[in-house]
Formats: sequence, C-alpha cells, structure tokens
Amino acid sequence: DTGVSQDPRHKITKRGQNVTFRCDPISEHNRLYWYRQTLGQGPEFLTYFQNEAQLEKSRLLSDRFSAERPKGSFSTLEIQRTEQGDSAMYLCASGRAGDQPQHFGDGTRLSIL
Amino acid sequence: EDQVTQSPEALRLQEGESSSLNCSYTVSGLRGLFWHRQDPGKGPEFLFTLYSAGEEKEKERLKATLTKKESFLHITAPKPEDSATYLCAVQPREYNTDKLIFGTGTRLQVFP
Repeated sequence: DTGVSQDPRHKITKRGQNVTFRCDPISEHNRLYWYRQTLGQGPEFLTYFQNEAQLEKSRLLSDRFSAERPKGSFSTLEIQRTEQGDSAMYLCASGRAGDQPQHFGDGTRLSIL
Repeated sequence: EDQVTQSPEALRLQEGESSSLNCSYTVSGLRGLFWHRQDPGKGPEFLFTLYSAGEEKEKERLKATLTKKESFLHITAPKPEDSATYLCAVQPREYNTDKLIFGTGTRLQVFP
C-alpha cells in the first residue's frame, strides 16, 4: 500500500493563470475524492468519482474548476483563471465504497501571487 | 443544514493527563462518523469510523464513542507524539452521498 500520491506538493502561480494538479489513488480503490482546505478550517468537499464517472460536484466547484478521471485510475483537477481566493490546500482521497474510510494524500498547496 | 462543531478549538495537556474532545453534529441521517488526525503540512490520517449510537472503537491511547448527537474522542495518558489536529467528519445518509462534512478540528498539544 503506497498511499495516495499528489503532485505537485506546492504550486505558486500568478493570478489569472491556469493550474492542474494530479492525484494517484491507492490502486485497489475505485472511488476518488477532491477536497479543499484553508488555514484553520476542516476540508471542504469538492467532487468525487466512482471509476471514471463523476458522481457528485459541490456548489463550491465553480465553472473555473474541472476534474477528470479518464481511465478510472489517476485524476486531475484544473483551475482556470486563478483568483486570490483559490489559495488553499487541495486534498485528494481514495476509498473502496461509500461508507468506508477515505484515505488522504498530503495535498497540493496552491499559492496565488 | 448538516453541520459539525468541534470543541475545544485548542487543548494543551501535560503528558499523561487524560482528556476528551467533543464533536457535535446535526445531520438529516447519519451514514457514518469519521475521526482523523492531521499533522502540520500533511493530509488527514484516518483513525476511526462509527456507524451507530452506542458504538465504540479503540486504538492505542484513543477511544471514540458515538451518541445520536455527538461523538467523543477520549485520549488516555497522552504522549507528545499525540500532538496534532483531530478532525471529526460526518457522512450524511441523504442521496447516498459519499461526501464528508468536516468540523474545524481540535488542535491538541501534549507537552512533557
């Protein structure tokens, strides 16, 4: 069990640029989740997949955000035209089934200049 | 609206001084309640899942309990390595969603 892997660990970009993050889940997990966490807060749900199907999206996920899991393995989260308010830790998690534990990666910290 | 409130926000304990962390929740129907610990700069690490009132789970110095309105994380004789933020999350039963709704956490410091 190599755990959930996220890349990059840190991303610094200028406002208005596009960024893309990658998540590699635990191999035997068919569900993959994205959350966002700001300083002093708990993670907030963004979206999740079962295999390649995106099953739910939060209202937090504006049209500048898009997530994909094309082959049911790794996933990408893209933010277009970044804004200051997008600065946060973006966490990915994976799991086996609905009410089973979600195992988190160490996140990608996004800083907008 | 589904909501999770954790208290206290911060807790300082001397090594060996037992205490409890509280997680109060309001949810239309509870599918599961999850405890995680989070170290600075890291992602949450899963600790326990509780599914029904009266259920208890234990792991080393930690014990989690669940009622219909709240959960407690009891820490017995803590050590400095137990210092972390402890996060509680609920999974609502509605729409069979997988999403977790987190509280803001309790920052625990255990000093020698």
